[in-house]
Amino acid sequence: QKEVEQDPGPLSVPEGAIVSLNCTYSNSAFQYFMWYRQYSRKGPELLMYTYSSGNKEDGRFTAQVDKSSKYISLFIRDSQPSDSATYLCAMRGTGGFKTIFGAGTRLFVKA
Amino acid sequence: DVKVTQSSRYLVKRTGEKVFLECVQDMDHENMFWYRQDPGLGLRLIYFSYDVKMKEKGDIPEGYSVSREKKERFSLILESASTNQTSMYLCAAQRGNTEAFFGQGTRLTVV
Repeated sequence: QKEVEQDPGPLSVPEGAIVSLNCTYSNSAFQYFMWYRQYSRKGPELLMYTYSSGNKEDGRFTAQVDKSSKYISLFIRDSQPSDSATYLCAMRGTGGFKTIFGAGTRLFVKA
Repeated sequence: DVKVTQSSRYLVKRTGEKVFLECVQDMDHENMFWYRQDPGLGLRLIYFSYDVKMKEKGDIPEGYSVSREKKERFSLILESASTNQTSMYLCAAQRGNTEAFFGQGTRLTVV
């Protein structure tokens, strides 16, 4: 079993839809949770960075962490064609700096 | 933000060649990482370095080595390139236990 599970998609939605992207994990020691966006043939860029449980909002993006369920989510409101990319979840414990990544979910937002 | 620059976007090399992938970061971050990214497998850690001349094996170090002679530069070396090393290679830099910043990636093809 992988430490981090992420549905690879693809996920296709119409422009303006609310998108929900999710990851589950097995290691209860994870405390730092990240979401990266990766456009085709580019490196990942950091979208959201959260510590422990709770919500964090940044513009159209909301990151949610539920440590009791070992489940994290990224919500994208009013999705745009420019949001079409692969979204990677990532997480890490407090004891080190090694980050574990999900395999990524491909998102397509249709105009 | 940290700028992480990888020396090449695309490389084509022959089987058996020695290949050098270079990565430079401009923000004095002590930790640097090399990952490879393959469809369905996500990001897999090859090697990381937490200080000059220090290195640690990641999850898939076989066939690779690294060099960190200066804090800002982290090189990945394929001692004898093979076709199964065709992949997207990503370098990242990270300060302490914070988020990692990635370069734009090098797409390596071994023929």
